[in-house]
Amino acid sequence: ILNVEQSPQSLHVQEGDSTNFTCSFPSSNFYALHWYRWETAKSPEALFVMTLNGDEKKKGRISATLNTKEGYSYLYIKGSQPEDSATYLCAYVTTSGTYKYIFGTGTRLKVLA
Amino acid sequence: GAGVSQTPSNKVTEKGKYVELRCDPISGHTALYWYRQSLGQGPEFLIYFQGTGAADDSGLPNDRFFAVRPEGSVSTLKIQRTERGDSAVYLCASSFGSKETQYFGPGTRLLVL
Repeated sequence: ILNVEQSPQSLHVQEGDSTNFTCSFPSSNFYALHWYRWETAKSPEALFVMTLNGDEKKKGRISATLNTKEGYSYLYIKGSQPEDSATYLCAYVTTSGTYKYIFGTGTRLKVLA
Repeated sequence: GAGVSQTPSNKVTEKGKYVELRCDPISGHTALYWYRQSLGQGPEFLIYFQGTGAADDSGLPNDRFFAVRPEGSVSTLKIQRTERGDSAVYLCASSFGSKETQYFGPGTRLLVL
C-alpha cells in the first residue's frame, strides 16, 4: 500500500505570516508530485507539478520544493493572506501502472485577518 | 474556456437507492478520472477512462459501482443499492493526455441516509 502523508493536518496563521507544509511519499518508483489548492465548494486548482529531484517551482507568493531521494516535498506560502485559506493537497504518481493520483489527506490552512 | 463540470452538486438519497453522477470534462480531453473523498481522507482513485474504454477500474470498491463513457466525453458514475458508507464527495478530473496534469470539477456531495 502506497502511503502519502501530509503535515500538519490543519493550521491557523495570522495574515502576513509565512508558513509551510510537508508532503511525504515513497521514494521508490517516483514519477511526479502534484500540488493542488482546494477551496470549499470549488474545484481543486492545480498549483505545481514536480518531476525532478531538486525541483523548485514558484507562483506568486507560493513556492514548492522536491526531494525524491528522501521522499518529501515542501509547500511554502510567503506573507499569507485570508484568500490563501484552503485545503492544500499533494498527489503522488508512480512509474508503474496508470497516471492515477495517490493523494495525501491534505493540510487545512486558515489565515486570520 | 469551460472547466470540468459535475452534476448534481449535491445529492441526498436513501439507503438502497440507485444514483447516477455525471461528469462533463474539458472539451478535447481524452483522459477522465473519478475519485472519491470520504470524510477525513484524501481523495481516492476509482476509475480511469482513456477515450471510451475503462483503462483502469482497480479503485472501484465493489460491483455496486460502475462507470461509463460511451462517446469518449461525458461520463456517468452509477452506484446501485447505495449504503451509508458511500456518502462522500465524488470528484471527476480530465486531462489532455494520459500523463498530464488533471483538472478537477467541483465534485458531487453524496449523502446516503
